[in-house]
Amino acid sequence: GAVVSQHPSRVICKSGTSVKIECRSLDFQATTMFWYRQFPKQSLMLMATSNEGSKATYEQGVEKDKFLINHASLTLSTLTVTSAHPEDSSFYICSASGTSGVSQETQYFGPGTRLLVL
Amino acid sequence: AQSVTQLDSQVPVFEEAPVELRCNYSSSVSVYLFWYVQYPNQGLQLLLKYLSGSTLVKGINGFEAEFNKSQTSFHLRKPSVHISDTAEYFCAVSSYSGGGADGLTFGKGTHLIIQP
Repeated sequence: GAVVSQHPSRVICKSGTSVKIECRSLDFQATTMFWYRQFPKQSLMLMATSNEGSKATYEQGVEKDKFLINHASLTLSTLTVTSAHPEDSSFYICSASGTSGVSQETQYFGPGTRLLVL
Repeated sequence: AQSVTQLDSQVPVFEEAPVELRCNYSSSVSVYLFWYVQYPNQGLQLLLKYLSGSTLVKGINGFEAEFNKSQTSFHLRKPSVHISDTAEYFCAVSSYSGGGADGLTFGKGTHLIIQP
């Protein structure tokens, strides 16, 4: 139980284009979803927290207009990197927590999406 | 604000030897504590967690950790490691509100290298 998927697993795009990453909770309802960013050989940094049906809360220093987050249902959140640039290349990982059938204090992580912007 | 310190960026250990990965945290409020493992090019897998109760928690793959409030530590241990334990290990904390999980603050990670 508590499986989280991400799609795509890897994406390469040209500078200036937008990229959408999907995060789905497959067997539980995710009341809260989180988006993290991980640079090579570094730790994960929290980018934003989203609750279903509400606007996302962004961490300090994260541009909300550049990283658009939508959490339209209890099983799906999307992260759109708008007008991507090479410095946006990174490993993006989502996680989800829920209140039914899973430990609500625990985050369950997706496998990550590697974004390369040329 | 919270912070997590993993004192060792890399720990080499011989196979079947015991290992301890150190984690210290700082927080002005009570926190939940977690250890996650990350294999190359993959997401994070939960090893174990401390929410409340017994300070010694057991996780998957033979790992355990002990919460020490006075020393603000949550060190991870395994009595006998295997080659397959080679991975990056992250200690993390989150505060808690009535609504459930808050965002995690991670340490920088410890790369566990198992030598044959």
